[in-house]
Amino acid sequence: DVKVTQSSRYLVKRTGEKVFLECVQDMDHENMFWYRQDPGLGLRLIYFSYDVKMKEKGDIPEGYSVSREKKERFSLILESASTNQTSMYLCASSLRFVLAGGRGEQYFGPGTRLTVT
Amino acid sequence: QKEVEQNSGPLSVPEGAIASLNCTYSDRGSQSFFWYRQYSGKSPELIMFIYSNGDKEDGRFTAQLNKASQYVSLLIRDSQPSDSATYLCAVHTGGGNKLTFGTGTQLKVEL
Repeated sequence: DVKVTQSSRYLVKRTGEKVFLECVQDMDHENMFWYRQDPGLGLRLIYFSYDVKMKEKGDIPEGYSVSREKKERFSLILESASTNQTSMYLCASSLRFVLAGGRGEQYFGPGTRLTVT
Repeated sequence: QKEVEQNSGPLSVPEGAIASLNCTYSDRGSQSFFWYRQYSGKSPELIMFIYSNGDKEDGRFTAQLNKASQYVSLLIRDSQPSDSATYLCAVHTGGGNKLTFGTGTQLKVEL
């Protein structure tokens, strides 16, 4: 079974703090993704990485950065947390499409509910 | 225009009935289609995938794909209260590594 873990289930931070969210997968997947999910807005892609040290902006990258130093680990960084970044953050991973036998299916971690006060 | 569209619901069905969830997509080049189930406060869980036109059955779940009409559906037979969740449709467009998600349909199975 694919296992994706996230460092925290719940996190409370103050405005202006630097926040690190970590994600680890154990299936040797090439692709890793960070989403945020808000009521009525669905899943929105923040960043994705298709290889170590490689990253690509998603739909809403402003205010976020990412780091992928090892294949299994993908970190999301909020440089200066703001109240509008209060959300559920979801990490996912997948095999590289077709080349590595993947069809695109993504597997999600349990999520981190971040509250910025 | 949204690329993947779902009716947000809630869709209410009585226990034991068939629940039918629908999804339309805009990109004709889409190749892989997925259904995720998400319980309140939890993360999405992959329950079905389909790549070819027609039906694919897995237990009480049947995924249906019609590429000509650009829709994919999920049927849940003998619906149970434990099926109450939000169901997300996701579409993979060839060439990339990303999925496009619909906003989900909330299903309520009533006793």
